[in-house]
Amino acid sequence: GAGVSQSPSNKVTEKGKDVELRCDPISGHTALYWYRQSLGQGLEFLIYFQGNSAPDKSGLPSDRFSAERTGGSVSTLTIQRTQQEDSAVYLCASSLRWNTEAFFGQGTRLTVV
Amino acid sequence: EDQVTQSPEALRLQEGESSSLNCSYTVSGLRGLFWYRQDPGKGPEFLFTLYSAGEEKEKERLKATLTKKESFLHITAPKPEDSATYLCAVWGGGFKTIFGAGTRLFVKA
Repeated sequence: GAGVSQSPSNKVTEKGKDVELRCDPISGHTALYWYRQSLGQGLEFLIYFQGNSAPDKSGLPSDRFSAERTGGSVSTLTIQRTQQEDSAVYLCASSLRWNTEAFFGQGTRLTVV
Repeated sequence: EDQVTQSPEALRLQEGESSSLNCSYTVSGLRGLFWYRQDPGKGPEFLFTLYSAGEEKEKERLKATLTKKESFLHITAPKPEDSATYLCAVWGGGFKTIFGAGTRLFVKA
């Protein structure tokens, strides 16, 4: 596609439920990043993919968070047993190569009630 | 620990009133500094990458500069459409890009 696409754009879930957030990067971009942005805060790095592998998972807040990327393209961020503190906007970005100009999606706003 | 601090948190300008935003960083070996613009409800939009002290880049009314400890985003004769949050991020090696909390810019006509 023309840009980075994320779905859903909004997600409201009950505490304790699992959620899946999807990111479709720009075609041909080998690097893919997930960030979390809480209200009034900067972007918090979660995970980086080069192709299908994740050299750096150090930003994942807990073992309830996991991510995968298949076919060097679509990525899914899964949050298990959601907690209220997981409420935030989850942003995905892709770039042609690692740490070059990154293009961001519109984000998924997750609300845990 | 790598750290990025942006100031001021918020800046209110009149249209045409030039000013600068600051990004101070502490990183062990800067490999790149990025500036992004973020509008409400949208993802950040890339503006500039700076790689070494002394480097400058310009785009329309924006000019980014870099020293060994900080970067400035200069806004010349701003217009209301320049109102947004401006984010600074540094790449100090490894795989992480560390973002600052941003400066919210308001430009009044």
